[in-house]
Amino acid sequence: AQSVSQHNHHVILSEAASLELGCNYSYGGTVNLFWYVQYPGQHLQLLLKYFSGDPLVKGIKGFEAEFIKSKFSFNLRKPSVQWSDTAEYFCAVRVRSNFGNEKLTFGTGTRLTIIP
Amino acid sequence: EAGVTQFPSHSVIEKGQTVTLRCDPISGHDNLYWYRRVMGKEIKFLLHFVKESKQDESGMPNNRFLAERTGGTYSTLKVQPAELEDSGVYFCASSRGGNEQFFGPGTRLTVL
Repeated sequence: AQSVSQHNHHVILSEAASLELGCNYSYGGTVNLFWYVQYPGQHLQLLLKYFSGDPLVKGIKGFEAEFIKSKFSFNLRKPSVQWSDTAEYFCAVRVRSNFGNEKLTFGTGTRLTIIP
Repeated sequence: EAGVTQFPSHSVIEKGQTVTLRCDPISGHDNLYWYRRVMGKEIKFLLHFVKESKQDESGMPNNRFLAERTGGTYSTLKVQPAELEDSGVYFCASSRGGNEQFFGPGTRLTVL
């Protein structure tokens, strides 16, 4: 079965610092990759996704992620964080199959705190 | 367009009682998913409906959990009888085909 690892449990940064959150998955076949974010008191919402093509994907609010197949990684980056980026971030994998498997497998989440 | 809604937002029950959670997906979304996050752990898949049919229920923890989606619209997840380890946040999500899953706000279940 596939699994997702997010190595950073809690990250604290000052405003304007650069961000990189790690995500590694274990599955040898074709996958779709996602980053979701949950702002305080809000729903989980999609930040960005990778299905195929250019491994560098851009999402909302200046976030981007790079899919490196050889490393089974999909790290999330942002060059300059803002206080409003304080949230919990989840990496997720969906295994592509012929059997209609649409379930997402999530990592444990990374709590990001931005200090003004 | 209204998002995914869940009711109640919070439920506190005693061990052995029954609780029913409800999810209303986005209109027109045939796919409906239930997930659960136990405190401090990852969000885990419970099951997936396509219209009224269970496509995948491999994540259901045991037979104390019963999910239904009569008529292919809203879904309910019943826990009977509830145990302490069932506490957590239950998320519902919906999608159109294999596209993005839109999540609801979750129901926080506390079993005392």
